[in-house]
Amino acid sequence: EVQLVQSGAEVKKPGESLKISCKGSGYSFTSYWIAWVRQMPGKGLEWMGIIYPGDSDTRYSPSFQGQVTISADKSISTAYLQWTSLKASDTAMYYCARRELTTPYFEYWGQGTLVTVSS
Amino acid sequence: EIVMTQSPATLSVSPGERATLSCRASQSVSTNLAWYQQKPGQAPRLLIYGASTRATGIPARFSGSGSGTEFTLTISSLQSEDFAVYYCQQYNSWPPYTFGQGTKLEIK
Repeated sequence: EVQLVQSGAEVKKPGESLKISCKGSGYSFTSYWIAWVRQMPGKGLEWMGIIYPGDSDTRYSPSFQGQVTISADKSISTAYLQWTSLKASDTAMYYCARRELTTPYFEYWGQGTLVTVSS
Repeated sequence: EIVMTQSPATLSVSPGERATLSCRASQSVSTNLAWYQQKPGQAPRLLIYGASTRATGIPARFSGSGSGTEFTLTISSLQSEDFAVYYCQQYNSWPPYTFGQGTKLEIK
């Protein structure tokens, strides 16, 4: 069974750093791209970026380039999304999702990680 | 970047009736379009890919159509569990794989 399990909710202060995770299981982690999607409170889905764990090839949405870093550790089948200096506007639910091989839709999603940034 | 525009923002329909949701792309995406359903507190769920192919386990009352820049998701006979927010997403050109802003399907 394919599963993406994300790390738990986080409460941080502005200016702090954060790294959240997404662990894949039930499939070959290095063979599928993993994307990150933001959902701000009461808002829609925003595609942030994507990584291919096999070679760490990473692509970002222009809106998120330079704002976050996506990485992966294939030895533990885990993808990451990190911030060096959080802002209140980073408060959101963050989802990871697996891109399918031949047709790049997203069938499998993590359960989401809620990040709250507040002073 | 391809912009996806969904309409209407909110759709009020009675159970048992048909719902038709629209999605428009700012440039052609061929049939490289997916539809997702999201219920409160849940991750999105893939409904349709390739504009018209139902994902595994999706009931036949969900159907997708369209190509190029105009797409439609139709739910033929609404069940109580279908009231949710629906998003379209293009995957023809990336990055990014852009989403529409969503259509909230509510009970009339």
